[in-house]
Amino acid sequence: DTAVSQTPKYLVTQMGNDKSIKCEQNLGHDTMYWYKQDSKKFLKIMFSYNNKELIINETVPNRFSPKSPDKAHLNLHINSLELGDSAVYFCASSQEVAGQWTGELFFGEGSRLTVL
Amino acid sequence: RKEVEQDPGPFNVPEGATVAFNCTYSNSASQSFFWYRQDCRKEPKLLMSVYSSGNEDGRFTAQLNRASQYISLLIRDSKLSDSATYLCVVILDTGRRALTFGSGTRLQVQP
Repeated sequence: DTAVSQTPKYLVTQMGNDKSIKCEQNLGHDTMYWYKQDSKKFLKIMFSYNNKELIINETVPNRFSPKSPDKAHLNLHINSLELGDSAVYFCASSQEVAGQWTGELFFGEGSRLTVL
Repeated sequence: RKEVEQDPGPFNVPEGATVAFNCTYSNSASQSFFWYRQDCRKEPKLLMSVYSSGNEDGRFTAQLNRASQYISLLIRDSKLSDSATYLCVVILDTGRRALTFGSGTRLQVQP
């Protein structure tokens, strides 16, 4: 059973298009995230949601819009794609254990986006 | 200055060698520290937490030096399966639950 699953795994598209990446976790976690890993392998947080509420929204162009229909899902929609959006996008989730956040994120396998 | 800095490597070591990685962080208010491991074209996974008192998990030992703002990871008796990128991770504010990742140090263990 895949704990955090993302679709699609690969996405090749033209500049200017709009695309979405979906993420689902079956771990029962309260917090979900989107991270971007660029060509230099730098992983940077984009958004996080806790129980469907947005708690982190880093400096990300407003072409990127997350949506959390329920606490098990966090989707990412990107409008007007640009060349610089090419990256691997990782979804992740986390949970408190005994009232403490452990810092362990469970990542999906990543969605590799290539903008031509 | 980057928030978390690591030597990108690669570190090429023979099987059985001991290898150490360091990482420095810029914000002295950082609260929590971790090492994550990322295999090639895979997702990152938690390797271990890092405590001021140091902690050990089998062949892996992590240390935190708050005064100098650096974190280390020591791998003893390297195995081929240890080949991966090791990501140093810092949390500034556990309330925000946002991990700040270093760009990683690549380790290649050779037969």
